[in-house]
Amino acid sequence: EDQVTQSPEALRLQEGESSSLNCSYTVSGLRGLFWYRQDPGKGPEFLFTLYSAGEEKEKERLKATLTKKESFLHITAPKPEDSATYLCAVQAEAAGNKLTFGGGTRVLVKP
Amino acid sequence: EAGVVQSPRYKIIEKKQPVAFWCNPISGHNTLYWYLQNLGQGPELLIRYENEEAVDDSQLPKDRFSAERLKGVDSTLKIQPAELGDSAVYLCASSLGRIWNEQFFGPGTRLTVL
Repeated sequence: EDQVTQSPEALRLQEGESSSLNCSYTVSGLRGLFWYRQDPGKGPEFLFTLYSAGEEKEKERLKATLTKKESFLHITAPKPEDSATYLCAVQAEAAGNKLTFGGGTRVLVKP
Repeated sequence: EAGVVQSPRYKIIEKKQPVAFWCNPISGHNTLYWYLQNLGQGPELLIRYENEEAVDDSQLPKDRFSAERLKGVDSTLKIQPAELGDSAVYLCASSLGRIWNEQFFGPGTRLTVL
């Protein structure tokens, strides 16, 4: 069974204080690893897809990396508007388009 | 381009009552998903449609939950009767097709069962 574990559960940062979120996964045949951002009262918003170990993608202050067992979402010099829950999900080759999500990391960036 | 539309946004019902949620996916998206999200957790897939066909409903509690996607566009998710444990956010998502990975989510319907 595909499993995704995110850590930490919650993260409080000062504005400008860089940090990393971890997503550990167990999947039989990874098709893709996805990062989403979710604001309170809204649905998840797509950020990145990573397909193979060693791949990196960047968007503004966010950078996602992938190894064979985990992915990291690095937040560089965060701003208060980066406060959100960040969700990681995996898609297995044998699971069609099904996404298996982790529990998320709640990030609060204080000014 | 309009995103995934869901209604209602909020619903409060008494236990044992029926409830229905509606989803209109992004135009042209053949694949539609219903997810359940409990507080503090990630979404869990309930059912996936490819056009009109339900191709993955293994996580749908079929004794009380049902779904339909007539004409391969809009979809309705129904619970009858609702139980206290059904209180959650029900999310709808869509994607271009089974070979496309990016799923676009709607805002969800927050259900409270009293």
